[in-house]
Amino acid sequence: GQQVMQIPQYQHVQEGEDFTTYCNSSTTLSNIQWYKQRPGGHPVFLIQLVKSGEVKKQKRLTFQFGEAKKNSSLHITATQTTDVGTYFCAGQGGNTDKLIFGTGTRLQVFP
Amino acid sequence: EADIYQTPRYLVIGTGKKITLECSQTMGHDKMYWYQQDPGMELHLIHYSYGVNSTEKGDLSSESTVSRIRTEHFPLTLESARPSHTSQYLCASSEGRYNSPLHFGNGTRLTVT
Repeated sequence: GQQVMQIPQYQHVQEGEDFTTYCNSSTTLSNIQWYKQRPGGHPVFLIQLVKSGEVKKQKRLTFQFGEAKKNSSLHITATQTTDVGTYFCAGQGGNTDKLIFGTGTRLQVFP
Repeated sequence: EADIYQTPRYLVIGTGKKITLECSQTMGHDKMYWYQQDPGMELHLIHYSYGVNSTEKGDLSSESTVSRIRTEHFPLTLESARPSHTSQYLCASSEGRYNSPLHFGNGTRLTVT
């Protein structure tokens, strides 16, 4: 079945450093969504990418959808302690309309 | 902010007990979902519904059952709880269109002793 993998699984950074998580799907996606889950919280929708090669920005966060629509990335510039949490990508496509969540990347930011 | 509510927030229960986790949303969303998530781990879809009287099993096999008698309500039931059911259960909803984002509830943290 369709699989969505994320790397790295964990990332510890010093506050002010940049951070990137990569999301790879085994099948071509029609769209990809990104969610953030704070420790002890629930996933919260951040953004959706639909077009091949699409790039979207939210303040210090930059999201990219690959040309082949099989991978995506989230880049955070100059991390802050408020960025702590687990970032999940979620893809939709193939022969199903179900949203398949990635394995997640847990980000820890040290002050 | 999304209006989707889960109760209870925490539940500790003994083996063999029947439990129902409640989930309600006030947004009129057609689609609702149940995910199981161990702490710090990925989300596994266990049940979903595309509308009233529609329920489907997700990707992760689960001994739980669900019902969707009303649009706003999507309860999950375990007939006989076991320690292996200990986990966090997250309910979510979305609009009916294909690529609608999910709105999650705060979750129920279940511990079966």
